[in-house]
Amino acid sequence: SQTIHQWPATLVQPVGSPLSLECTVEGTSNPNLYWYRQAAGRGLQLLFYSVGIGQISSEVPQNLSASRPQDRQFILSSKKLLLSDSGFYLCAWSVHAGVFNQPQHFGDGTRLSIL
Amino acid sequence: GIQVEQSPPDLILQEGANSTLRCNFSDSVNNLQWFHQNPWGQLINLFYIPSGTKQNGRLSATTVATERYSLLYISSSQTTDSGVYFCAVGFTGANSKLTFGKGITLSVRP
Repeated sequence: SQTIHQWPATLVQPVGSPLSLECTVEGTSNPNLYWYRQAAGRGLQLLFYSVGIGQISSEVPQNLSASRPQDRQFILSSKKLLLSDSGFYLCAWSVHAGVFNQPQHFGDGTRLSIL
Repeated sequence: GIQVEQSPPDLILQEGANSTLRCNFSDSVNNLQWFHQNPWGQLINLFYIPSGTKQNGRLSATTVATERYSLLYISSSQTTDSGVYFCAVGFTGANSKLTFGKGITLSVRP
């Protein structure tokens, strides 16, 4: 069966520091991968998605970037964190579906606090 | 623009009561999912239901795509049902992206 791992689970970082959050998927190949952010008390917002290695689409212009160095690895990064980057970050995967959407499955998330 | 609206925003139930959560969406869809976010933040997949009706234990869901709404039914609610329920929709032609509603906060009291 497929599993998705995110780490770390929680992170406290000072303003201006760099960020690297990692997500890996097991048990499937060539998945679609997604990064979402959830601000406190609000819904989820799609940040990036990827349909293959090195293919990244950005949904929201911001201080963050994403990379997919391997088929089942998705990394969320920042060079300099802002206070507004605080939130709950979730990674998700779905079967690479072509023209048909497939259900997305989420990791347990990383709670990021910026001080 | 593309919209997903959930109602009611908040719901308080007594244990054992039934409830209906609604999701309206603004365009044709080829993906609709219901999630339960527990107090630890985990998003639990409840249903993948772009159309039709499904049941899983005390939960069931119906999507009427032609009328652009979906309903989640919770019967005989339990305190463990508390949390936030999200409807997320993939719109036709939107490259597998999900648009989330703002969620419904459910509190089930013993």
